Amino acid sequence: DQQVKQNSPSLSVQEGRISILNCDYTNSMFDYFLWYKKYPAEGPTFLISISSIKDKNEDGRFTVFLNKSAKHLSLHIVPSQPGDSAVYFCAASARGGTSYGKLTFGQGTILTVHP
Amino acid sequence: DAGVIQSPRHEVTEMGQEVTLRCKPISGHNSLFWYRQTMMRGLELLIYFNNNVPIDDSGMPEDRFSAKMPNASFSTLKIQPSEPRDSAVYFCASRPGQENSPLHFGNGTRLTVT
Repeated sequence: DQQVKQNSPSLSVQEGRISILNCDYTNSMFDYFLWYKKYPAEGPTFLISISSIKDKNEDGRFTVFLNKSAKHLSLHIVPSQPGDSAVYFCAASARGGTSYGKLTFGQGTILTVHP
Repeated sequence: DAGVIQSPRHEVTEMGQEVTLRCKPISGHNSLFWYRQTMMRGLELLIYFNNNVPIDDSGMPEDRFSAKMPNASFSTLKIQPSEPRDSAVYFCASRPGQENSPLHFGNGTRLTVT
């Protein structure tokens, strides 16, 4: 039961262009969403998050959009840089109960930014 | 800030042996999580602790897996006996007590069981 899905295993983008990574979720109880970036041989590092009360959150070159009705979120990176090449994970959590604090991750998307 | 520290970075062992993975969370963080990453299943939560108490261990695959957190600065994940299908990267993560705060991950332990 994959509650958080990243349907694109990989994405290739030219330096300077926009990278758009997508994520879908099925659990309507999810109310907090995060994106993590992972380099080889390292742990995932937090990138940006969004609460379900918002539909957009921006931090420098990174913007996360949330469409609750479609249960969809996306991460935009503008402009893309070669150093952005990594695996990007979408994650979600729900308030309360036994789900408190649990992060459910998607499978990840490998982003490659070509110089 | 030293971040989440995991040891060892790599572990190679033979089937049937006991394996112990170690984690030191960030000082002051109340919650600790153990995740496993495999090609087939991605990042899956095994167990997490709040204030040293296990809250949810529903992700622990079998009785061969056990986790402890004897104090706020140390946790172990033990596999006994280990099997080849346990081969994966095991990540530990911690976070402060606030509900919607991001996890901070260690660099993982790559476990290979032959």
